[in-house]
Amino acid sequence: QKEVEQNSGPLSVPEGAIASLNCTYSDRGSQSFFWYRQYSGKSPELIMFIYSNGDKEDGRFTAQLNKASQYVSLLIRDSQPSDSATYLCAVKAPSGSARQLTFGSGTQLTVLP
Amino acid sequence: SAVISQKPSRDICQRGTSLTIQCQVDSQVTMMFWYRQQPGQSLTLIATANQGSEATYESGFVIDKFPISRPNLTFSTLTVSNMSPEDSSIYLCSVEGFGNEQFFGPGTRLTVL
Repeated sequence: QKEVEQNSGPLSVPEGAIASLNCTYSDRGSQSFFWYRQYSGKSPELIMFIYSNGDKEDGRFTAQLNKASQYVSLLIRDSQPSDSATYLCAVKAPSGSARQLTFGSGTQLTVLP
Repeated sequence: SAVISQKPSRDICQRGTSLTIQCQVDSQVTMMFWYRQQPGQSLTLIATANQGSEATYESGFVIDKFPISRPNLTFSTLTVSNMSPEDSSIYLCSVEGFGNEQFFGPGTRLTVL
C-alpha cells in the first residue's frame, strides 16, 4: 500500500532560522518526489522536485532525497513570515501507467517574526 | 508551467443537485487530473482524465457520482452529482508538465447545504 507520511506539525520557527520538513514513503519503487506549498485558501504551488539521491538547491530551498531510507526532506533557509504555509510532500511511483501523485497530510509551518 | 483556470471558483449548492466544474489549460496536455481536498485534509485523487478515452477512477470514486469529460487536450469537466453535505470540498484540477511535475488550478470551493 502506497503511503506518504509527514509530521503534521504545526512547526514554528523564528524568522531567519532553518525550517526542516520531513517526509517518508513506503513504496520503494517511487521515482519522483515533489514539495508543494499551500497557503490558506489557495491551491498547491510546486516549489521543488527531486529525482536523484542527494541534495537539490533552489534559492533558499533545498530538497534532500535518500532512497535507501525512503526519506525526502525540504529545508528552508533564512525563513520568512511569508513562508508560513502548509507544505505537502508528494510522491509518484512508476507502477504501470499510473501517473498520479500520492500526497502526505502536510506540515503546517509558521515563521514567527 | 501551464496556466490553468477553473470555473466556478466557488459555489453554494443545495443537497441533491449537481454541479459541473470546468478546467481550462492554455496549452495542450496529455494528462489531466481531478483531486478533492476536504476541509483540513490533504489532496485525494478522484480520477485521471485522458483525451479520447474514459476517465480512470480511484478507489472510492465512481463515474455515476463524478462523471468526467475530456473533449480535447485543453479542457475537462468534473460533475459532482446528487450532492450531499459530505461533498463540500475544494475540487482541483491539475496537469502534468514535461518533467513529470504536476501543476494545479486555483480550485473550486464547493459548499453543499
